[in-house]
Amino acid sequence: GAGVSQSPRYKVTKRGQDVTLRCDPISSHATLYWYQQALGQGPEFLTYFNYEAQPDKSGLPSDRFSAERPEGSISTLTIQRTEQRDSAMYRCASSLYENTEAFFGQGTRLTVV
Amino acid sequence: EDKVVQSPLSLVVHEGDTVTLNCSYEVTNFRSLLWYKQEKKAPTFLFMLTSSGIEKKSGRLSSILDKKELSSILNITATQTGDSAIYLCAVEGGGSNYKLTFGKGTLLTVNP
Repeated sequence: GAGVSQSPRYKVTKRGQDVTLRCDPISSHATLYWYQQALGQGPEFLTYFNYEAQPDKSGLPSDRFSAERPEGSISTLTIQRTEQRDSAMYRCASSLYENTEAFFGQGTRLTVV
Repeated sequence: EDKVVQSPLSLVVHEGDTVTLNCSYEVTNFRSLLWYKQEKKAPTFLFMLTSSGIEKKSGRLSSILDKKELSSILNITATQTGDSAIYLCAVEGGGSNYKLTFGKGTLLTVNP
């Protein structure tokens, strides 16, 4: 696609429910990043992919968080048993390959009530 | 652990002023430093600085990378109200893995 697309734009869920966020990167971009951004803070790294490989998931805050990119294009971020502290903007970015500028999607605003 | 620190955290100026935003970093195997402008939508890319490109300029914006001091500055001259935004600095590093580490950003407000 022309830009990085994330869906949904907004998600409100009850505590304890599972949620899945989707990211569709720019076509042909090999590298895809997930970030969590709290209000007033810079994006915090969660994990990234090179095609379908996931070399680094050190930023995932707990085992309730997981991400996939099975065919090397679209990626999903799943949060199981959501908690209120998971409320944040979740941003996806993609870059052509490593060490090139990353372009961001508009994010998914997750609110856990 | 990789670390990026931006200063000041916030800044209020008048239209026409020149501002300098700072970014310092500690990362393993530095590869590049990037500046983004974040308004209400997604952060938009401004500049990428690497060892082979330590100074960039686009219109009223310019940026310099100082690899000795492990820092970068973003200059905006003749500021306009449309420059009001959060400016994010990110550094790419991390050994054999590539990831962007962001600072907390500088909130710039340009008053008419």
